[in-house]
Amino acid sequence: GAVVSQHPSWVICKSGTSVKIECRSLDFQATTMFWYRQFPKQSLMLMATSNEGSKATYEQGVEKDKFLINHASLTLSTLTVTSAHPEDSSFYICSVGQTQMNTEAFFGQGTRLTVV
Amino acid sequence: EDKVVQSPLSLVVHEGDTVTLNCSYEVTNFRSLLWYKQEKKAPTFLFMLTSSGIEKKSGRLSSILDKKELFSILNITATQTGDSAVYLCAVGDVKYGNKLVFGAGTILRVKS
Repeated sequence: GAVVSQHPSWVICKSGTSVKIECRSLDFQATTMFWYRQFPKQSLMLMATSNEGSKATYEQGVEKDKFLINHASLTLSTLTVTSAHPEDSSFYICSVGQTQMNTEAFFGQGTRLTVV
Repeated sequence: EDKVVQSPLSLVVHEGDTVTLNCSYEVTNFRSLLWYKQEKKAPTFLFMLTSSGIEKKSGRLSSILDKKELFSILNITATQTGDSAVYLCAVGDVKYGNKLVFGAGTILRVKS
């Protein structure tokens, strides 16, 4: 399997500031990682696919200038929420997906973002 | 576009009841279907199904896949309050590499 570490696990920030969330694949070289957002009692909503060495692929309706994704190495992808607003408060979680056909998908621990 | 639909969206049962959660899907090139349980943090893996008709079991939980009718069910017998969670169904499509498409989830609440 793959071990995925996400940091921080929770963060509180002021409106207008930016917050960076890191997702590390500790034992697997991930050419792609996935960023999800989840509102309370709702499912995981895919925001974007992070591609190592190239631009992220954003899902429809997700602002790429608002949610900056950088995947500079095979083990690290970052999501930066820029100029955060209270409506950005949510649970953000990353995944390396299914590393092989017959495995589960592996997730980070998630980051609870609260914008005040 | 790939689609995963779960039903019911929410469910309240009493301890000891048996529940069946449903997941139907439409994908171009099916690879696998996965069930997850999510409480407060990251989803916890339950089952991965790739072949029709083969039941996967883990304690009181079991799941089966029907690739002809394009659905899967997750059964939980003798439910306990600790089973209260959101149950997520996700499908992998060869077309999308290792990305999963998630359903909306079923919120299960087990009352004591």
